[in-house]
Amino acid sequence: QQPVQSPQAVILREGEDAVINCSSSKALYSVHWYRQKHGEAPVFLMILLKGGEQKGHEKISASFNEKKQQSSLYLTASQLSYSGTYFCGTEFPGGTSYGKLTFGQGTILTVHP
Amino acid sequence: GAVVSQHPSWVICKSGTSVKIECRSLDFQATTMFWYRQFPKQSLMLMATSNEGSKATYEQGVEKDKFLINHASLTLSTLTVTSAHPEDSSFYICSAGRANGNQPQHFGDGTRLSIL
Repeated sequence: QQPVQSPQAVILREGEDAVINCSSSKALYSVHWYRQKHGEAPVFLMILLKGGEQKGHEKISASFNEKKQQSSLYLTASQLSYSGTYFCGTEFPGGTSYGKLTFGQGTILTVHP
Repeated sequence: GAVVSQHPSWVICKSGTSVKIECRSLDFQATTMFWYRQFPKQSLMLMATSNEGSKATYEQGVEKDKFLINHASLTLSTLTVTSAHPEDSSFYICSAGRANGNQPQHFGDGTRLSIL
């Protein structure tokens, strides 16, 4: 049930773009995206609730394709501060799963000057 | 944004010791808190869901008697690792969520536990 993220790792030069994908084998209720720096706790980026929903914050945006049971995170004109491990957290519909997130294995993003 | 405080930040102790980790939501009432464990270079694995005033719900494979969770108030949940052994060494992170759905989880800073 763990969502699958791709790619596992990506290396960028400052200013380049990247896309991180998150796919689930089960229907999703919502998708949450987090970034974690080494030795720190994950930091919330955004949450997508509805199929077709797209959100953005500065140069980071995401989309949620409910039919395909997948979400993508887009990082535009990357900055050094974007380096870290990105996790998608998926929430499945159903009473016992309420609010519970299952995280993907993570995508390591490294941005070089 | 919401602030979740977790203490202590790190613990080093001898095998057989019990360790208590606190997770507090500072600016909202968290009816649900989640406890995760993360091994180096791995993902966050949910250990249990803690609901205020009721027993915690543990994920499959997590020993209830080893990882005791108490959620006595809307702002505090505690995780006690009883009789800890070296294999329990890990990064433990709590998160807090609001009563209504569709809200993000806010994570504490984590506790690095090292058992010698």
